[in-house]
Amino acid sequence: EVQLVESGGGLVQPGRSLKLSCAASGFTFSDYYMAWVRQAPTKGLEWVASISYDGGSTYYRDSVKGRFTISRDNAKSSLYLQMDSLRSEDTATYYCTTAVGYWGQGVMVTVSS
Amino acid sequence: DVVMTQTPVSLSLAIGQPASISCKSSQSLLGTSGKTFLNWILQRPGQSPKRLIYQVSKLYSEVPDRFSGSGSETEFTLKISRVEAEDLGVYYCWQGTHFPLTFGSGTKLEIK
Repeated sequence: EVQLVESGGGLVQPGRSLKLSCAASGFTFSDYYMAWVRQAPTKGLEWVASISYDGGSTYYRDSVKGRFTISRDNAKSSLYLQMDSLRSEDTATYYCTTAVGYWGQGVMVTVSS
Repeated sequence: DVVMTQTPVSLSLAIGQPASISCKSSQSLLGTSGKTFLNWILQRPGQSPKRLIYQVSKLYSEVPDRFSGSGSETEFTLKISRVEAEDLGVYYCWQGTHFPLTFGSGTKLEIK
């Protein structure tokens, strides 16, 4: 059974940092692109970042470029999102997702003073 | 950025009725590989999204065959032949051909 389990969310002040993790199991993690997608409260889905199979290529939406860093550890079947200089508009549930359509349960990030 | 426009915003249907959701993209989703990366997902209330369809019309193995997808280039449709109670939620189309990846604004399906 495929599982994606996010962790690392919480309440953080504007300007601070947070690192999300996604532990994958049930499939060959290194075979697939991975991505983070977020959903602000009561809003739709918004792609944040993607990473290639080996981590050699990364892609970001403009609003997080230079602040967020996506990475992966294929030996640990894990995906990460380092979020720096957080803003109130980054408040959302963050989902880890695979190129074959699986989604995690999500982790909430709240940026507020 | 590719803008994904979904209609209708909401649907209220009785069990057994058919459903149709349209998704239009602001530019062609046909990639250089010859594949069209248009996907459909369903987000049930209080849950994370679940995969339904990839590359326009291919159903994931666990998806009931009452779901179907069609279209090409910039116009796509998700159809449910006969709505069931478990189909309620918000349906999103999203494109994986061009970065940034973009989602439609969603279509909420309610069961009468």
